[in-house]
Amino acid sequence: GAVVSQHPSWVICKSGTSVKIECRSLDFQATTMFWYRQFPKQSLMLMATSNEGSKATYEQGVEKDKFLINHASLTLSTLTVTSAHPEDSSFYICSARGRGGGKPYEQYFGPGTRLTVT
Amino acid sequence: GQNIDQPTEMTATEGAIVQINCTYQTSGFNGLFWYQQHAGEAPTFLSYNVLDGLEEKGRFSSFLSRSKGYSYLLLKELQMKDSASYLCAALDSNYQLIWGAGTKLIIKP
Repeated sequence: GAVVSQHPSWVICKSGTSVKIECRSLDFQATTMFWYRQFPKQSLMLMATSNEGSKATYEQGVEKDKFLINHASLTLSTLTVTSAHPEDSSFYICSARGRGGGKPYEQYFGPGTRLTVT
Repeated sequence: GQNIDQPTEMTATEGAIVQINCTYQTSGFNGLFWYQQHAGEAPTFLSYNVLDGLEEKGRFSSFLSRSKGYSYLLLKELQMKDSASYLCAALDSNYQLIWGAGTKLIIKP
């Protein structure tokens, strides 16, 4: 149980275009979803936290107009990188926290999305 | 401020034992997690401690001392596949995970 999927696994896009990444909880209701970014050889950096049906809370330094997060249902959250630039190339990971099962407040991670902007 | 400290890199020999330490300072505390992350993959859950003491799970054990703000992950009978980064993360009063930078563990034959 507690499986989180991400789509796509990897994406290459041209500078200036937008990319949407989907994060789904497959067998539980994700009341909270987290979006992380990880650059090579660095730890996870939390970008934003979203609760179902409400606006996302962004971490300091993360542009909310550039990284659009939608958490419209208890099983789906999307991250859209708008007007992507090469410096946005990174490994984007979502995680979900839900009701019931598992350790309390444990986050279940998706497999990640490798974004390369050319 | 909130802070998690763990060594950047450690090296150990196959079949041996290694202990990865983590110290934390957080606004409130609701438990400590250890995750394993292989290169290019997402983290996978290893352990969760909220009470003082040692939790053993197969070859991996995790220890917590709340009074000292200290935890360690103990890996026994090391295997080559244990080469990975190990992330320490503390849950603060807002139930938000505060992450360490990770410890890269290199296993040598």
